[in-house]
Amino acid sequence: GALVYQYPRRTICKSGTSMRMECQAVGFQATSVAWYRQSPQKTFELIALSTVNSAIKYEQNFTQEKFPISHPNLSFSSMTVLNAYLEDRGLYLCGATDSNSGNTLYFGEGSRLIVV
Amino acid sequence: GEQVEQRPPHLSVREGDSAVITCTYTDPNSYYFFWYKQEPGASLQLLMKVFSSTEINEGQGFTVLLNKKDKRLSLNLTAAHPGDSAAYFCAVRRYGGSGNKLIFGTGTLLSVKP
Repeated sequence: GALVYQYPRRTICKSGTSMRMECQAVGFQATSVAWYRQSPQKTFELIALSTVNSAIKYEQNFTQEKFPISHPNLSFSSMTVLNAYLEDRGLYLCGATDSNSGNTLYFGEGSRLIVV
Repeated sequence: GEQVEQRPPHLSVREGDSAVITCTYTDPNSYYFFWYKQEPGASLQLLMKVFSSTEINEGQGFTVLLNKKDKRLSLNLTAAHPGDSAAYFCAVRRYGGSGNKLIFGTGTLLSVKP
């Protein structure tokens, strides 16, 4: 079946430092990867949508300069939170789409960012 | 853009009672609908996906109703049990458009008391 692995599961970083998270799709081809953030007590906000061989599209309030994303092939994507501050804390999820079932996102287990 | 409102934000029921969570959306081109469950500290678990053409969908212990006319999606848990305690999120996606842009509802924290 389709699985998405995401790591690290949890990171504690000092304010002003950066954190990189990775997303691995297993058992399917992840043609599109969406990165979401869930801030404390909030819902899931879309950060950006990445499609292989296309430009990465960032949502309003999120920029490539702050959240650079790499999606080099059909099984892997990574995102970095640069210069993390308190407002960046939360659960970051990657969701990948199977090209054979283009309407369902399979989510990883999330990378929780704690900023101290 | 699409907005998805979810109600109630908090819901507390007794074991065996039913629980209803409702989402309303604004985009008439919304075509795919999803319900996710998030247990404490965990990621999202897909409960059900619904396509625009199907109004009633049944899962294990719950029913999902889609009212396209009113742009309303509901999750009905029948005979809730403590293991159903979690946050629930609806999500909506357009037909076609930009890839897999899911818009999430604001979430409902369900507590089922023994």
